[in-house]
Amino acid sequence: GESVGLHLPTLSVQEGDNSIINCAYSNSASDYFIWYKQESGKGPQFIIDIRSNMDKRQGQRVTVLLNKTVKHLSLQIAATQPGDSAVYFCAERGIQGAQKLVFGQGTRLTINP
Amino acid sequence: DSGVTQTPKHLITATGQRVTLRCSPRSGDLSVYWYQQSLDQGLQFLIQYYNGEERAKGNILERFSAQQFPDLHSELNLSSLELGDSALYFCASSVTHRGREDTQYFGPGTRLTVL
Repeated sequence: GESVGLHLPTLSVQEGDNSIINCAYSNSASDYFIWYKQESGKGPQFIIDIRSNMDKRQGQRVTVLLNKTVKHLSLQIAATQPGDSAVYFCAERGIQGAQKLVFGQGTRLTINP
Repeated sequence: DSGVTQTPKHLITATGQRVTLRCSPRSGDLSVYWYQQSLDQGLQFLIQYYNGEERAKGNILERFSAQQFPDLHSELNLSSLELGDSALYFCASSVTHRGREDTQYFGPGTRLTVL
């Protein structure tokens, strides 16, 4: 069935360090993956996406890696800042149907000063 | 600011009541999606509309319904409310329903509390 999960519910890092947030997905037919950031009291904010025909995509301070062999997705945030503190969700979209997104449970990232 | 607006921001009501949540998509977006976020279920897809027509249904209860109007705004109607319906309800919009990289942009959400 469809399920997207995260390895760790919480992650605490020092300001300035790099953060890696992991995600496992189960639908091998999914062709598109997205990372969202959700700050307290706000809606999910798009960070970066990746298609299944890619294994890496870089944005500003963020990199998403996709390993289809083990159905694993990761989000790397470079030089984390206090403003990066939030809950991060991975989501997948199945190739077979509608545009609905299946979200993981989320990882709370806390930045220590 | 994603460009998606939702009203009201907060809603407190009693069990058995009916409420309507409203969403205005980003300018130019034709698809609207509704999601429910609760502590125990996370973000769950409810329903999608494209240019006024229902396109996909997720785990939406029969007590819930939605529609998209000619001006593309959407409403989510929740009736016979139960305590377990308390959650954040998000609306998202995207340009089309066919695009492979059809990014969904989320609104700020409506927090529903059922007492």
